[in-house]
Amino acid sequence: SQKIEQNSEALNIQEGKTATLTCNYTNYSPAYLQWYRQDPGRGPVFLLLIRENEKEKRKERLKVTFDTTLKQSLFHITASQPADSATYLCALEEQAGTALIFGKGTTLSVSS
Amino acid sequence: EAGVAQSPRYKIIEKRQSVAFWCNPISGHATLYWYQQILGQGPKLLIQFQNNGVVDDSQLPKDRFSAERLKGVDSTLKIQPAKLEDSAVYLCASAHSTGGQETQYFGPGTRLLVL
Repeated sequence: SQKIEQNSEALNIQEGKTATLTCNYTNYSPAYLQWYRQDPGRGPVFLLLIRENEKEKRKERLKVTFDTTLKQSLFHITASQPADSATYLCALEEQAGTALIFGKGTTLSVSS
Repeated sequence: EAGVAQSPRYKIIEKRQSVAFWCNPISGHATLYWYQQILGQGPKLLIQFQNNGVVDDSQLPKDRFSAERLKGVDSTLKIQPAKLEDSAVYLCASAHSTGGQETQYFGPGTRLLVL
């Protein structure tokens, strides 16, 4: 069966540390993998997109890796801040312009 | 640029009643999605429109859910009759493709509670 799994429901880290979130999938062949941030009571907000032929993408303190052999994406937030506390969703896009298939999300808490 | 607008933000109804949600996408976005997000889960696609045509409604429970996008802009999602398990947040998203790559912009959602 097809599955998308985000490694943990909750992740607690201290301010200044690097947060690493994992997204694993089975029986999908995504053309794109995206990461979204969702705050309570709000809709998801796009953060980064990585294509199947890309290994790594960076944006400011964010870094995403994509390993199609392992069927895994890692999402890193360096120098984390309390304002980074939110739920982070991994989403697959099997073909351009198709609907996103979301994982359950990982709730990150950054304490000062 | 204005974001995706949704209304109402909250709705409480009793089971077997009907309810409708409205979405106004970002101007110029041809693609519109409705997702259902149950507490503790990621969003799940209900229906995808391209302009006013349906692209994918394979996961829409058509015996009780319906959606339309008559003029290719605003969209409404209706549930009739509602069940307890329909309690969720209903998210609308719009998108435009840039070179085959698509970024979806989500509205704030409508939180539905069915009693």
